[in-house]
Amino acid sequence: DAGVIQSPRHEVTEMGQEVTLRCKPISGHNSLFWYRQTMMRGLELLIYFNNNVPIDDSGMPEDRFSAKMPNASFSTLKIQPSEPRDSAVYFCASSTRGVQETQYFGPGTRLLVL
Amino acid sequence: LAKTTQPISMDSYEGQEVNITCSHNNIATNDYITWYQQFPSQGPRFIIQGYKTKVTNEVASLFIPADRKSSTLSLPRVSLSDTAVYYCLVGNAGNMLTFGGGTRLMVKP
Repeated sequence: DAGVIQSPRHEVTEMGQEVTLRCKPISGHNSLFWYRQTMMRGLELLIYFNNNVPIDDSGMPEDRFSAKMPNASFSTLKIQPSEPRDSAVYFCASSTRGVQETQYFGPGTRLLVL
Repeated sequence: LAKTTQPISMDSYEGQEVNITCSHNNIATNDYITWYQQFPSQGPRFIIQGYKTKVTNEVASLFIPADRKSSTLSLPRVSLSDTAVYYCLVGNAGNMLTFGGGTRLMVKP
């Protein structure tokens, strides 16, 4: 298996632009997680899907952030409009079932908003 | 959610055994203890998970005392490649796992 796949690996954009991050979880995994990591705040869980349904989005910072999982093999995290403080590494992870099972992380997307 | 406390950083030398302790005083009865490792520019990677007593795998050992209010990750004979950030997480299927600040381990030659 190729593991969790994220794209793009790097993204540089200007403030106000829309940013879409993509994730393909490991085949057969039922849970998907989006995290954000910065030096100041560490690794933060943004949202968690189980069987394509958002279970808890309490970590999503504000309405500018939205996440979707239209099917079991694809998820997006969208930021619209983007701001410089959104600059971070965004990780996607998947597990067989729920937060208790081992989470497998993707390589991350490094986002820089100018 | 059970909050975890672990040292911000630790230094060691190649070949030594490293023990990283995590405090989780308000751990719940059905909480598990999980450790992840993160190398620079990579996502975290699962190391080991336990509920009580001792768990050992090919990478590490996890020691959990009877009261479960703390746990110790033990890395035998570390090498330079073990330099990473190590996270202790506590939780169960009913809640979110929270990554704290982690412990930054530096292994020196």
